[in-house]
Amino acid sequence: GAGVSQTPSNKVTEKGKYVELRCDPISGHTALYWYRQSLGQGPEFLIYFQGTGAADDSGLPNDRFFAVRPEGSVSTLKIQRTERGDSAVYLCASRSGVAGELFFGEGSRLTVL
Amino acid sequence: EDQVTQSPEALRLQEGESSSLNCSYTVSGLRGLFWYRQDPGKGPEFLFTLYSAGEEKEKERLKATLTKKESFLHITAPKPEDSATYLCAVQGFSGNTPLVFGKGTRLSVIA
Repeated sequence: GAGVSQTPSNKVTEKGKYVELRCDPISGHTALYWYRQSLGQGPEFLIYFQGTGAADDSGLPNDRFFAVRPEGSVSTLKIQRTERGDSAVYLCASRSGVAGELFFGEGSRLTVL
Repeated sequence: EDQVTQSPEALRLQEGESSSLNCSYTVSGLRGLFWYRQDPGKGPEFLFTLYSAGEEKEKERLKATLTKKESFLHITAPKPEDSATYLCAVQGFSGNTPLVFGKGTRLSVIA
């Protein structure tokens, strides 16, 4: 597509529930990143994919968070047993190589009640 | 550990009042420094990439400059539509390092 697409744009869930957030990167971009942004903060790195494999998952806060990219294109961020502290905007970004600017989607706003 | 500090946290300008935003960074070998604009409820929008000290880039009323320790985003004669949060990020040379972002500067331009 023309840009990075993220769905849903908004997700409200209850504490303890499971959620999935989807990212469709720019066509042809091999690198895909997930970031999390809390109110008044800059984006915080979560995980990076180069192709199908997670090249760096050092930013995932704990084992409740998991992400996949099975065919090297669309990625899904999965959060188990959600907590109120998980509430944030989850941003996806892609680029064509290992360096250079990232192109971001509009984000998925997650609210855990 | 790569770090980015932006100042001020918030800036309020009158329309036409030029100013500068600061981004101080520490990185183990700079591969690139990036400026983004973010409007409320939107994802960051790419503005500039700077690669080496002394480099400058311009786009409309914005000019970004880079030294070995900091970058400035100069805003000349701003308009209300320039109101946004401006984010600075760095990428180092160590492996496939992600972009590390600062907290941003919230700019408000009043007509």
